[in-house]
Amino acid sequence: NAGVTQTPKFQVLKTGQSMTLQCAQDMNHEYMSWYRQDPGMGLRLIHYSVGAGITDQGEVPNGYNVSRSTTEDFPLRLLSAAPSQTSVYFCASSYSFRGNEAFFGQGTRLTVV
Amino acid sequence: GDSVTQMEGPVTLSEEAFLTINCTYTATGYPSLFWYVQYPGEGLQLLLKATKADDKGSNKGFEATYRKETTSFHLEKGSVQVSDSAVYFCALGPSGSRLTFGEGTQLTVNP
Repeated sequence: NAGVTQTPKFQVLKTGQSMTLQCAQDMNHEYMSWYRQDPGMGLRLIHYSVGAGITDQGEVPNGYNVSRSTTEDFPLRLLSAAPSQTSVYFCASSYSFRGNEAFFGQGTRLTVV
Repeated sequence: GDSVTQMEGPVTLSEEAFLTINCTYTATGYPSLFWYVQYPGEGLQLLLKATKADDKGSNKGFEATYRKETTSFHLEKGSVQVSDSAVYFCALGPSGSRLTFGEGTQLTVNP
């Protein structure tokens, strides 16, 4: 039982490049989310999904794209990387019931130069 | 929109000292409240939670009570250990899928 697995752990991109951050969970959770963590700002929600085929925007969605074709996977795509997207990205999953805890991956540290 | 405000850090304590990290929130409806902890180089882990007013969450000696009248969820521990050194996040949400986080409080406990 691996929980929430994110790849890669570290990535350096040049401005304008695109890439996909991978996230997979093996707990059969309905809900999955992507957050970014910046110093002094806590974590902010980028996109979330309440089930396969259903996604919605969070607080800071611009520059990111998501899709959810299976329950297990929720990739985050950076369309054209910008230095402002330098951050640590966390994927999380949870059951749908009220008050259920989120399980987080180990994070991806992304630097855009 | 929803928001969470945590006391400013960092916080430095000696081992066995009493810990309080303040957390206040603004929200519509009746959110669940959470404290998450992040150890160096790791993802976040749930420390404790409360889902309705007056509920007390507790875990590993940490406690927090959901106070609707003061919109607060302060984290307390009677005697901290070096191993408690971490970043602590207060959060709210309907569930784990859509959490609103505070800024985080860095706690360092010295022997």
